[in-house]
Amino acid sequence: KAGVTQTPRYLIKTRGQQVTLSCSPISGHRSVSWYQQTPGQGLQFLFEYFSETQRNKGNFPGRFSGRQFSNSRSEMNVSTLELGDSALYLCASSFLAGAETQYFGPGTRLLVL
Amino acid sequence: KNEVEQSPQNLTAQEGEFITINCSYSVGISALHWLQQHPGGGIVSLFMLSSGKKKHGRLIATINIQEKHSSLHITASHPRDSAVYICAVDGNTDKLIFGTGTRLQVFP
Repeated sequence: KAGVTQTPRYLIKTRGQQVTLSCSPISGHRSVSWYQQTPGQGLQFLFEYFSETQRNKGNFPGRFSGRQFSNSRSEMNVSTLELGDSALYLCASSFLAGAETQYFGPGTRLLVL
Repeated sequence: KNEVEQSPQNLTAQEGEFITINCSYSVGISALHWLQQHPGGGIVSLFMLSSGKKKHGRLIATINIQEKHSSLHITASHPRDSAVYICAVDGNTDKLIFGTGTRLQVFP
């Protein structure tokens, strides 16, 4: 089975722009979670989608949003980018929601200038 | 105080040494995860456990629910074990809460 894939792998944007990141889960997995990793804050939970519904959300401003499609692929969008949004964005998939082993993608490294 | 604390923050070892990384948490959990992150950024899930002990190859993870503590042990460490090891808990809100990680370097 192919692993979790994320596109793009690297991205450079400027302040005020918006960005959309994509995550394709392992085939058959219905849950996709998104995480932000920065040197200062470490790994933080953004949100989780299961069967096209947002199941859970972390403590991030409304500029961060996401969605999941019927094929379980997920996108996250960040609008009005700020310098502090520079981070590694990771997605992870699991077969079910909740306390499940998660399989992580390689991440998208976003740099905001 | 962080809800998930790891120790030590940094660890160096000689090849072959036995390594222990500790994780303490202050919230109720349904499960605890040990993750490994290599310098390129990729994260691999090593263990998910809610009680007792699990073993995979040279890695052993234990959890004590009453004491809210987990340990990750690496036997016969090898330079390829060099990575950041992250403890994460599935809290009652079903969101993963991460520790700050332990950076391990194993020298030949």
